[in-house]
Amino acid sequence: EAQVTQNPRYLITVTGKKLTVTCSQNMNHEYMSWYRQDPGLGLRQIYYSMNVEVTDKGDVPEGYKVSRKEKRNFPLILESPSPNQTSLYFCASTLDRTTDTQYFGPGTRLTVL
Amino acid sequence: KQEVTQIPAALSVPEGENLVLNCSFTDSAIYNLQWFRQDPGKGLTSLLLIQSSQREQTSGRLNASLDKSSGRSTLYIAASQPGDSATYLCAVKSGTYKYIFGTGTRLKVLA
Repeated sequence: EAQVTQNPRYLITVTGKKLTVTCSQNMNHEYMSWYRQDPGLGLRQIYYSMNVEVTDKGDVPEGYKVSRKEKRNFPLILESPSPNQTSLYFCASTLDRTTDTQYFGPGTRLTVL
Repeated sequence: KQEVTQIPAALSVPEGENLVLNCSFTDSAIYNLQWFRQDPGKGLTSLLLIQSSQREQTSGRLNASLDKSSGRSTLYIAASQPGDSATYLCAVKSGTYKYIFGTGTRLKVLA
């Protein structure tokens, strides 16, 4: 089954404790992206990747890192999480820049205490 | 800076009604506009994608229109059903890899 998977689905952590949220797609998509969703603000793009080893900042990249060492995986790294990073995070992928339908993962709900 | 607005934020209708959800954007220089459905605890599901050169797209009971010059899109849902209850989001592609989302319309269809 074609899908985007994220792990973990739920995470409660404390300020400053490094964490990684994984994202994987099995559709051989070139483009992947991370979003955060907050009440009243909608989804905002954090980082995106056009292909392996090619990444760029979205609208809200501060406090996040990403890497794209393999085509299928695009982990989101929070080196020193803070309470303002408490949010619902989504990973998405698209085949390429001309095929625009985005496929979303199920989301990761992160709470930073 | 591109901004996307969806009005109303919430909508409650009786089953069987035809309804229209609105999406407006401030910069008409878009590549495309996409409508999504979001169910609680789940990710987003793509419903319809309209390229900037298109005026509308249809899928089953759903019809989406796009008027770039006025910065508006509408999602028309015919003969609404309780299973249509969800949050509907629109997103514009305003750069090669840049997507801007609206805050959504929470729809509840009453049986």
